[in-house]
Amino acid sequence: GIQVEQSPPDLILQEGANSTLRCNFSDSVNNLQWFHQNPWGQLINLFYIPSGTKQNGRLSATTVATERYSLLYISSSQTTDSGVYFCAEYLGGSQGNLIFGKGTKLSVKP
Amino acid sequence: EPEVTQTPSHQVTQMGQEVILRCVPISNHLYFYWYRQILGQKVEFLVSFYNNEISEKSEIFDDQFSVERPDGSNFTLKIRSTKLEDSAMYFCASSESRGQAFFGQGTRLTVV
Repeated sequence: GIQVEQSPPDLILQEGANSTLRCNFSDSVNNLQWFHQNPWGQLINLFYIPSGTKQNGRLSATTVATERYSLLYISSSQTTDSGVYFCAEYLGGSQGNLIFGKGTKLSVKP
Repeated sequence: EPEVTQTPSHQVTQMGQEVILRCVPISNHLYFYWYRQILGQKVEFLVSFYNNEISEKSEIFDDQFSVERPDGSNFTLKIRSTKLEDSAMYFCASSESRGQAFFGQGTRLTVV
């Protein structure tokens, strides 16, 4: 089945730094979503980005479907950005489910 | 902005008891999902539901689990006889089509 690999697994930043999180797929990208799981366990929808680039404030995401990867950029990081970032790929076809990566745990220090 | 609502946010139950987790999907969505996340692990798909029936389920979704859409707004996950290993965060999601899924904020289930 499809594999979703995220890197790095852990990331520690100083407040104000920029970072790039990566998501690789073993199969073609049909749809892609990025989520932020905050320290309380809540999953926050960040981007739905099957291809191209989107921006929302200090966050942006790019998916290169032909090369089977997606990147999440966080600029001028804040302590509230801490948590786990997941990417998930949608299988499509008759299978209506998301396959999640293991996540990148981000810690932003003041 | 419309959102998926889950209740309760946290539930503690005795092993062997039945629990029902509740979700109100976004009103015009047609596809509904439950996911599970054991503490410290990744989010895993449990089941998808469309047109009043299960359309896909994972191997985790065994006979102790069931889903129901009892009326036009609620979507529930029932665990018949809870085990310690059922302790997890349970997420409900919905989508308009098989595109973007919108997730609720989760129910943390603790089985003691």
